[in-house]
Amino acid sequence: DAGITQSPRHKVTETGTPVTLRCHQTENHRYMYWYRQDPGHGLRLIHYSYGVKDTDKGEVSDGYSVSRSKTEDFLLTLESATSSQTSVYFCAISEAQQETQYFGPGTRLLVL
Amino acid sequence: GENVEQHPSTLSVQEGDSAVIKCTYSDSASNYFPWYKQELGKGPQLIIDIRSNVGEKKDQRIAVTLNKTAKHFSLHITETQPEDSAVYFCAASISGQNFVFGPGTRLSVLP
Repeated sequence: DAGITQSPRHKVTETGTPVTLRCHQTENHRYMYWYRQDPGHGLRLIHYSYGVKDTDKGEVSDGYSVSRSKTEDFLLTLESATSSQTSVYFCAISEAQQETQYFGPGTRLLVL
Repeated sequence: GENVEQHPSTLSVQEGDSAVIKCTYSDSASNYFPWYKQELGKGPQLIIDIRSNVGEKKDQRIAVTLNKTAKHFSLHITETQPEDSAVYFCAASISGQNFVFGPGTRLSVLP
């Protein structure tokens, strides 16, 4: 998985609780992305980062925030989880925008 | 906005036969088209990609063709094997932005 790890790999939480997912890379790539994957929708971009402290919204950013304080780490936070955020979350990295993206192993999140 | 359609959504072939998956895109400025393979419980993995200045690219049993005029590109897998069974995603770059992914094709190779 191109030097990308995600933690936790599985999480069950309750509606209304905060959740933070972590993506860590060892490739020193500038761009990092968070996607969610749901049946019938493929991969949809939540947020992405183009450098330390530089982030931007994707297609489905409502209810999510991100932070990137170091090149190697990109955090995705659900401030108050809802059942509609039950999904599989993937982190990806790339050297530049519109260059090949490499994906992590994913985090399966269940919000009850 | 940019839209990527992918067909078929499911595909079953006999081992040894060929499989073809087609994607269409709407942004005429798109210039990079990767294909990913996702096995159960794993993240998508890049298997082949093509840029807009090339019409075809081949890597062993896998090939991708691009028709920029018609705005479609296709993945071709020859001599399919059971380990080719997976979900395949196409993607297209968006001018000045990131990628849009197709909804995926579940390929089953029957022994």
